[in-house]
Amino acid sequence: GAGVSQSPSNKVTEKGKDVELRCDPISGHTALYWYRQSLGQGLEFLIYFQGNSAPDKSGLPSDRFSAERTGGSVSTLTIQRTQQEDSAVYLCASSQEGRSYGYTFGSGTRLTVV
Amino acid sequence: DQQVKQNSPSLSVQEGRISILNCDYTNSMFDYFLWYKKYPAEGPTFLISISSIKDKNEDGRFTVFLNKSAKHLSLHIVPSQPGDSAVYFCAASNSGNTPLVFGKGTRLSVIA
Repeated sequence: GAGVSQSPSNKVTEKGKDVELRCDPISGHTALYWYRQSLGQGLEFLIYFQGNSAPDKSGLPSDRFSAERTGGSVSTLTIQRTQQEDSAVYLCASSQEGRSYGYTFGSGTRLTVV
Repeated sequence: DQQVKQNSPSLSVQEGRISILNCDYTNSMFDYFLWYKKYPAEGPTFLISISSIKDKNEDGRFTVFLNKSAKHLSLHIVPSQPGDSAVYFCAASNSGNTPLVFGKGTRLSVIA
């Protein structure tokens, strides 16, 4: 597609439920990143996929968070047993060959845990 | 610890004047620096970047200055326009193949 597509754009969920957030990167971009922005905070790195390499999961805040990227394209970020502190905007970005200066971000998913 | 710091959460500037947004970093291994601009309900968009081998990069109304010895960079916007009102994020990278590290952002308001 022309840009990075994220769905849903907004998600309200009850505490304790699982949620799945989807990211469809730009076609041909081999690198995919997940960040989140909590209220009043900067962009916090979560996880990074580069081609067929093992993902860099160093930013995931707890084992309730996981992500996968199927077929080198679409990625899903899953949060299990959501907590109120998980409320944030979750942003996905993609780039060519892991080049930092080629990030294109999606519009994000605003997650609210009530 | 915060490796990229934007110490001013907000900045207000009159239209036509210069806007100066500042960023400090602590990791001396960073070799590439970027500024992103974010409007509400949209993802950040790339604005301008600079490699550590340079001390200045200019693109139209936007200029980024890098002072490696001080581990400081700044973004100058001149003249500032109301459409520049947004949140500006400073970001840094080590070797270009690691995930970008972002600051907390500075909200710029350009007043007509």
